[in-house]
Amino acid sequence: ETGVTQSPTHLIKTRGQQVTLRCSSQSGHNTVSWYQQALGQGPQFIFQYYREEENGRGNFPPRFSGLQFPNYSSELNVNALELDDSALYLCASNPGGLGNEQFFGPGTRLTVL
Amino acid sequence: AQSVTQPDIHITVSEGASLELRCNYSYGATPYLFWYVQSPGQGLQLLLKYFSGDTLVQGIKGFEAEFKRSQSSFNLRKPSVHWSDAAEYFCAVGAIDNYGQNFVFGPGTRLSVLP
Repeated sequence: ETGVTQSPTHLIKTRGQQVTLRCSSQSGHNTVSWYQQALGQGPQFIFQYYREEENGRGNFPPRFSGLQFPNYSSELNVNALELDDSALYLCASNPGGLGNEQFFGPGTRLTVL
Repeated sequence: AQSVTQPDIHITVSEGASLELRCNYSYGATPYLFWYVQSPGQGLQLLLKYFSGDTLVQGIKGFEAEFKRSQSSFNLRKPSVHWSDAAEYFCAVGAIDNYGQNFVFGPGTRLSVLP
């Protein structure tokens, strides 16, 4: 148990729709990162938020956006869903700083039909 | 931009045998290096990390890793594998780029353990 929770567990959407995934970080962790893990691959870094501001971004288009709230919760929003967006989406929280351990949630499995 | 390679997609070892999982990275400076393990149905768990100091780092569950700057490698080792070590192992690099903090994970190595 990492203390990081994600909802929902599973989600099915159709191409072109929008989706919001949620994450609740460990209390006191002011940094949250989101990752996309396609089947059989390693996690790919989407972006990171520190104190409600984006402070790092991977190679993902702008239709991937996020929010972080003062209560240690965060959201990943994906617009105009594509079939290739089908993946496990992971959030990870840490108390800040590049070298600190990230605590991962169990993930949300998104299927786009 | 940084990159990570894990040359072995799948490794099978017998229980009690030693293990070495390879990781090579590409980055202009010394990055933050991590090894994570992902068991079926479980989240990612940090095994160990390195960013400075002693190049041999100890982690949880009896794992260790050695940073070799000359080879841009950060290989994971365990002297005696247990059946419960069967899982997917990911090497990761953390660094700062033009957009801020960035993390790159390798493609993973799947470890199978024979009884």
